[in-house]
Amino acid sequence: EVQLVESGGGLVQPGGSLRLSCVASGFTFSSYNMNWVRQAPGRGLEWVSHISSSSTAIHSADSVKGRFTISRDNAKNSLFLQMDSLRDEDTAVYYCASGSPIPFEHWGQGTLVTVSS
Amino acid sequence: EIVLTQSPATLSLSPGERATLSCRASQSVSSYLAWFQQKPGQAPRLLVYTTSFRATGIPTRFSGSGSGTDFTLTISSLDPEDFAVYYCQQRSSWPLTFGGGTKVEIK
Repeated sequence: EVQLVESGGGLVQPGGSLRLSCVASGFTFSSYNMNWVRQAPGRGLEWVSHISSSSTAIHSADSVKGRFTISRDNAKNSLFLQMDSLRDEDTAVYYCASGSPIPFEHWGQGTLVTVSS
Repeated sequence: EIVLTQSPATLSLSPGERATLSCRASQSVSSYLAWFQQKPGQAPRLLVYTTSFRATGIPTRFSGSGSGTDFTLTISSLDPEDFAVYYCQQRSSWPLTFGGGTKVEIK
């Protein structure tokens, strides 16, 4: 069974940093592209960032460019999102989602990030 | 950036009725359009990808159609478990974008 489990969310002050993790199981993680998607409270879905299976291709939303960094460790079946210079508007549930072969077929349960003073 | 506009914002229907959800793109996304269902407190679930391919385990009452800029998700006969919010998403070009969602509520 495919599982994606996020962790690392929490309360952080504006300007602070947080590192999210997503541990995968039940599939060959190293062969899959991966994504982060977020959802602010009561709002719709927003794609955040994408990384290819071998980390050779990375794409990010303009809203997080220069502040968030996606990375992965295929040996540990793990996906990461380093979030720096956090703003109030980054408050959201952050989901990791598979990117291939069927994009966004598998999702984690999400981890809540709250940016507030 | 490709903007996806979903309509209507809310659809009020009864179980057993047919639901037709629309997604319009600001420019062509070819066939790279997907649909997701989300229930309160849950992660989104992929229903349809590449316009018309049902994801694993998705009932046949869900079907997708369209091309270019105009797409439709049809639920042929609403089951009580189908009342939820539905999002379309394009992966034709970066950045990937989602529509604003259509809420299907019980009439």
